[in-house]
Formats: sequence, structure tokens, C-alpha cells
Amino acid sequence: DAGITQSPRHKVTETGTPVTLRCHQTENHRYMYWYRQDPGHGLRLIHYSYGVKDTDKGEVSDGYSVSRSKTEDFLLTLESATSSQTSVYFCAISESPGVFEKLFFGSGTQLSVL
Amino acid sequence: GESVGLHLPTLSVQEGDNSIINCAYSNSASDYFIWYKQESGKGPQFIIDIRSNMDKRQGQRVTVLLNKTVKHLSLQIAATQPGDSAVYFCAENPNTGNQFYFGTGTSLTVIP
Repeated sequence: DAGITQSPRHKVTETGTPVTLRCHQTENHRYMYWYRQDPGHGLRLIHYSYGVKDTDKGEVSDGYSVSRSKTEDFLLTLESATSSQTSVYFCAISESPGVFEKLFFGSGTQLSVL
Repeated sequence: GESVGLHLPTLSVQEGDNSIINCAYSNSASDYFIWYKQESGKGPQFIIDIRSNMDKRQGQRVTVLLNKTVKHLSLQIAATQPGDSAVYFCAENPNTGNQFYFGTGTSLTVIP
């Protein structure tokens, strides 16, 4: 998976608890992304980062925050998890922001909020 | 074919036959398209891409066709194998920043 490691692979948590998902890349790519995948929907962008400490919102950012303190790590935090955040979360990377830049994905984190 | 918001369509083919998976994209300004393969429990895997200035591109056993007039993309898989069984979905980049838009996918089952 293009040098992308997501952890944990599976997580079960309770409503109202904080959760942090980690994405680690070894490709030294500048751009990193968090997507969620739900039945009936294509992948939807939560947040993305265009450099260390540089992040921006995607189309479904409510209830999520991100941080990037190093090029290789991008963290996604659910401050207070809700059942609607049960989903599969994918991290992706691209080398640059160009229109024709390929997007490569990690293996995903299955998150269940009970 | 797939499009955002539709239930996942399915396609079953015999091993050795050719497969055609379709995708209707939404934005006529989209400049770049990618096909991904996603096996159960795994992340999306890049298969092939095409730019809007092309109407066909070939890879190893795969061909992508782009018809901008009707905003349609197709993926052809030659001599389909059991290992090709997966969900396939397209992604479009409308050149509005870093946003790709993804289809919901088509589930391909290869019958041995």
C-alpha cells in the first residue's frame, strides 16, 4: 500500500470517548488526506494536509480534527465519538497538489462507535 | 454503471471473459480520472488513470475509455481472472484543488 501504515486497523469505542487514528507514510509525500468510506457513498474527504502544521477541511469535517507535526505522520481525532462516525477510515497520500497527481491509499481503519 | 449515491451494482463474469465496468461522472470540467480496485478488507489500489485530453489508455490487461461528450468512463479487463474479483470505482478530479470525487463502485465477481 505505497508505504502507508494506518493504526489501529480495528477499533471499537463508546459514544462520547475521544479516538485518534494514525497514518504513517514512508514516501516523504507532502500531501496527506483522511477519507471515510460508508455504504452507498463514495469516499468522502474529511481533512487534508499540505505540509507540516498546514491542514484544511474537506467536505465532511464536522466532528473531526487533524494534526501533522511531522511529514510522515497525520493524525485524525474524533474529540467525542458518535455512532454516525462508525465507518472505515482511509489515509491517502500524493506527492504534490497538481490535478494529475495520483492518490495512494492505506489499508484502512475500521471504527465502530457503540 | 456507478455514480455517486447509487446502490452498489454487481457484475458477474466467467473466468477468461472480458469485463466492462462503467462509471458516469458528474463534472464536465473534470480533467483527470483514476480507476481503483478494492478487495475486501483492503484499501483502494490504483489501477490506471487517464487525462481529459485522451480518450483511451491501456495498461496491463486493462483499458480505460473516456467519453467526455456523455461524461462516461469505462474500465475494460481482458481475460478476467478470479483475482480480479473486487469492487472497482472511479474517481474524478474537477481541478478545483485537492478534491477527488469518488463513485460508489461496482462489485465484480469472477466465476471459475
